[in-house]
Amino acid sequence: DAKTTQPPSMDCAEGRAANLPCNHSTISGNEYVYWYRQIHSQGPQYIIHGLKNNETNEMASLIITEDRKSSTLILPHATLRDTAVYYCIVRVERDEETSGSRLTFGEGTQLTVNP
Amino acid sequence: NAGVTQTPKFRILKIGQSMTLQCTQDMNHNYMYWYRQDPGMGLKLIYYSVGAGITDKGEVPNGYNVSRSTTEDFPLRLELAAPSQTSVYFCASSYWTGNQPQHFGDGTRLSIL
Repeated sequence: DAKTTQPPSMDCAEGRAANLPCNHSTISGNEYVYWYRQIHSQGPQYIIHGLKNNETNEMASLIITEDRKSSTLILPHATLRDTAVYYCIVRVERDEETSGSRLTFGEGTQLTVNP
Repeated sequence: NAGVTQTPKFRILKIGQSMTLQCTQDMNHNYMYWYRQDPGMGLKLIYYSVGAGITDKGEVPNGYNVSRSTTEDFPLRLELAAPSQTSVYFCASSYWTGNQPQHFGDGTRLSIL
C-alpha cells in the first residue's frame, strides 16, 4: 500500500470548514484513499473513501487531485465533537489474496476545533 | 446495534501472566482484525482472519495467538505477558466485498507491570 503524509496537527474554528490535506504521491492506479478518525479513547471511525472522483456523504467531502497524488478531507461545518485524530489511508479496494483488506495507519493529523 | 464488542475494557496483568481479549461482532462480517495502538502512534495489525477457521499474521504477531472458531468471535490470547505488550487493543470487522469499511470496537486498555 502507498505511504501517506499528513501534517501532525491543525486547528479550526467551530462552524468553519476544516480542510485536512494528505499526500500520497506513490499511489497506484487501483488504490483507494480512505479516511478514518479516532476520537480520544475510542475506536477508529470510518468517514469516507474514493478512487478518482470527489465524494461526499453526510459526514464529509473528499477531494482527490486529478493526478491522485494528494487529497483533502473537508468537514464543512466543524463542531467541537469533530476534535480527533484523522487518518488518511491508501489501500487496494479488493484484495484478491487471502491477506484481507488490511489498513495501514500512520500517525494522522490531530484536528482541534476551537470554540 | 451492538456492532463490535470487546471485553474487558481495562485490565492490569503481571509479567508472565496470560489472558484472552474477547471480541465479538453481530454484523455477520467475514473479516476480523486485531490491532494494537501504543501511545501517540497509529494502529498496527497483529492478526487477522478472513473467515471461520482461517487466521494469518499481521505486522506485529509475536507474543500473541488467535483463533476463529465461529464467524462472530475472534479472541486474542497473550500467553506470557511482557511490559512491551502494554497498549490499547482494538478489534475490527468488515465485509470482504464492495465499499464496506472496517468497524472498530472501543478497545481494551491493557497494562503489564
